Amino acid sequence: EVQLVESGGGLVKPGGSLRLSCAASGFAFNTYSMNWVRQAPGKGLEWVASISSSAKHIYHADSVKGRFTISRDNAKNSLYLQMNSLRAEDTAVYHCASSTVGQCNDGSCYADHWGQGALVTVSS
Amino acid sequence: EIVLTQSPATLSLSPGERATLSCRASQSVSSYLAWYQQKPGQAPRLLIYDASDRATGIPARFSGSGSGTDFTLTISSLEPEDFAVYYCQQRANWPPVFGQGTKLEIK
Repeated sequence: EVQLVESGGGLVKPGGSLRLSCAASGFAFNTYSMNWVRQAPGKGLEWVASISSSAKHIYHADSVKGRFTISRDNAKNSLYLQMNSLRAEDTAVYHCASSTVGQCNDGSCYADHWGQGALVTVSS
Repeated sequence: EIVLTQSPATLSLSPGERATLSCRASQSVSSYLAWYQQKPGQAPRLLIYDASDRATGIPARFSGSGSGTDFTLTISSLEPEDFAVYYCQQRANWPPVFGQGTKLEIK
């Protein structure tokens, strides 16, 4: 059974930093692209970042480019999101999601398994 | 950036009825479109990918169709557990945007 478990969320002041982690199990983690998708309270879904299986290809949404960095450690079956210069509008639940179905095109994939998410609140 | 527009915003139906949800893209996404279901307090669940392929474990009452710019998710006979928010998402190019969602509610 595929499991994705996020950790590292919490309350942070504007301008602060936070690092999210996602522990993956139940599938060949080092074979598939991985992603972060967020959802602000009461709002829709926004794709934040994607990383290919070997980390050779990395993509970030314009809204987070230069502030957030996606990375992975295949030896630890783990995905990360380093978030710097946080803003109030970054407040959201951040989901880790795998892409084990379909192909990816320039970082655009489908998200077929999701973690329950980590809540990040940016507030003074 | 491609824009996905879903309609209607809210759909009120009764169990047993047929549901038809629409997703329109601002430019062609070929068949690179997925549908997700999200219930309150839960993560989204992939239902359909590549416009018409059902994801693993998804009941046959869910079906997808379309290509280019116009797509449809059909639920042939609504079960009580199908009332939720549905999102479409394209993977034709970066960024992989989602539609704004259709809320399927019990009439």
